[in-house]
Formats: sequence, C-alpha cells, structure tokens
Amino acid sequence: QVQLVQSGAEVKKPGASVKVSCKASGYTFTSYGISWVRQAPGQGLEWMGWISAYNGNTNYAQKLQGRVTMTTDTSTSTAYMELRSLRSDDTAVYYCARLGPRIAVAGTVDAFDIWGQGTMVTVSS
Amino acid sequence: DIQMTQSPSSLSASVGDRVTITCRASQSISSYLNWYQQKPGKAPKLLIYAASSLQSGVPSRFSGSGSGTDFTLTISSLQPEDFATYYCQQSYSTLLFTFGPGTKVDIK
Repeated sequence: QVQLVQSGAEVKKPGASVKVSCKASGYTFTSYGISWVRQAPGQGLEWMGWISAYNGNTNYAQKLQGRVTMTTDTSTSTAYMELRSLRSDDTAVYYCARLGPRIAVAGTVDAFDIWGQGTMVTVSS
Repeated sequence: DIQMTQSPSSLSASVGDRVTITCRASQSISSYLNWYQQKPGKAPKLLIYAASSLQSGVPSRFSGSGSGTDFTLTISSLQPEDFATYYCQQSYSTLLFTFGPGTKVDIK
C-alpha cells in the first residue's frame, strides 16, 4: 500500500542539527512532491517547505530559510529534512506528507494525501 | 502570505449533533481549500479537498462548502470516532501552503 515511513525520535542539544528521513513505498516516488509539516507540543500544524521528487526543486517557509534543507534520494525513494542551529522552540513532531494533485469540478488542487507517522525531535540542553 | 483563521477554536458536542466549523482566508483563494482531521498522537488525515470534494474512503456525513474567503466543514451527525481536531489548509499560493489554527471537537 501507499505509505511514508519516517525515521525514529531524536534528542538534540541547542545549536546542533537533525536530519529526518521519510521512505516512500507503493507509488512512483518521482511523480509527487513531498512537504514537511511540524507540530509543536499542543500546537497546530506548520508547513515547513516542499521538494519535488522529480527534479529536486525546493521551496521553504520564509521563517526557516537558511536553517532547513530538503533533499531526496530517488534510488531509495527517500526524502530527507535537515534542520540546523536547533533551538528549544524547534521541539516538535515532524511529518512528511505527499503532495498529490486532486482533480475536482473546480479544477486541480494540491493536497497532502499521504502522511508519515511523524518523528519527535526534542531540543534540550 | 495568506493567513487562515478558524472558528470556533473548540467546541463541545454530543453524538448525533450537526457540527459546523468555519475557515476564513485573508484573501480570495477560490476553491483551493482542504480540510484535515487529526486525532491525538496520529498524523493528520485528508477529509475534503477543493473545498467540497470528499476524499476517497471518508464517510459521507462530512461535507465542505464555500469559495473565495469563507469556507465551512459540516459533520451532519457526529459519531464517536469524529472527536478530533480539524484543520483547514490553503493551496492557492503555489508551494506556499498555510494551515488554519485548528478546531478541537470534544464530547459534551
């Protein structure tokens, strides 16, 4: 079945970096983009950015520009999100999500149709 | 950036109730609006896309409407498994997506 499986929980010190992986299966990896979304404890969803699995093009949320890098490895159908210079407010569950075009009467709309199970990243000294 | 707001932020309802959640965009987003359901400790799940289209496998008691800046998610008869947090999300800005702050639906 179509699924995204993420790497395990991480504990990092302030100033360190973290790299989370997201392995896709059940579909043609290069036909879709992958977005990363995070959720701080008790808070809502924050979109972090997007990467095309086809050509590696990226677009990042402005507040994370310069600290985040998203990459893919098409040979293993895996997407990666690296966040640098970690701070305590980066503590969150990090999700990868497939960005799939949805065809509707109103037109084609992009939606996050498949999600990974989430990876808890804790930043603490 | 397009900002999304939702109301109410939380609500209490009983099984069988009709529930309506509102989402508003800071500018017109046509029908580029999606709804997600999230249960505690779980990843979000796509319910509605393009404002009113039901994602495959989602029960028909869920429906969406609206266009432009104002949207609604309606649950026609609330079931025990529907107690969750609901988020709207705009896909109008190309590759610059934003979510609403969420609406928590709990048991009265």
